[in-house]
Amino acid sequence: AQSVAQPEDQVNVAEGNPLTVKCTYSVSGNPYLFWYVQYPNRGLQFLLKYITGDNLVKGSYGFEAEFNKSQTSFHLKKPSALVSDSALYFCAVSLRTGNEKLTFGTGTRLTIIP
Amino acid sequence: GEEVAQTPKHLVRGEGQKAKLYCAPIKGHSYVFWYQQVLKNEFKFLISFQNENVFDETGMPKERFSAKCLPNSPCSLEIQATKLEDSAVYFCASSQYYSGNTIYFGEGSWLTVV
Repeated sequence: AQSVAQPEDQVNVAEGNPLTVKCTYSVSGNPYLFWYVQYPNRGLQFLLKYITGDNLVKGSYGFEAEFNKSQTSFHLKKPSALVSDSALYFCAVSLRTGNEKLTFGTGTRLTIIP
Repeated sequence: GEEVAQTPKHLVRGEGQKAKLYCAPIKGHSYVFWYQQVLKNEFKFLISFQNENVFDETGMPKERFSAKCLPNSPCSLEIQATKLEDSAVYFCASSQYYSGNTIYFGEGSWLTVV
């Protein structure tokens, strides 16, 4: 069975500083990896995904994530944080067996301090 | 449509009453998923459909939960005899079938059982 760990419940970053939200996974074989963002009282919005190829994936709103197979990690990054980036971020994994369901981490609340 | 549409946004039910939630997937998407988001942001997979056929129901509490996706109708998730612990946000999501699919989420239906 697959699992996703987001070791930090809360991350605080000053506006303009780089941010990192950590994610590690455990799965048999090679997974698909995803990041979603959830704003208050809203659904999940897709940010980016890793399927194959370049380990650095670029996504929406200036976010990017780096797939590291040896460390089984998929950390989310942004070079310069905005106050509007404050939200709940979820890492997720699915298997390469077709239209498999997503397994989510427990989420990391990102707060950008003006 | 271009987004996953869920109704109602909010639903309050007394313990023991029935609750029924609806979801219209993105046009052209063959797969529909239901997730339950409970306290501490945990996402629990409930069930998925490929068109009108159940694809994966490993997460469904079968005693009181049921779901359908009938042709030319919104998909539905029904909870018979609701319990306090059913209080959660229920998210519907949809995707096309291809390897490495992106799953798009609706805004959720907030069920409160009192």
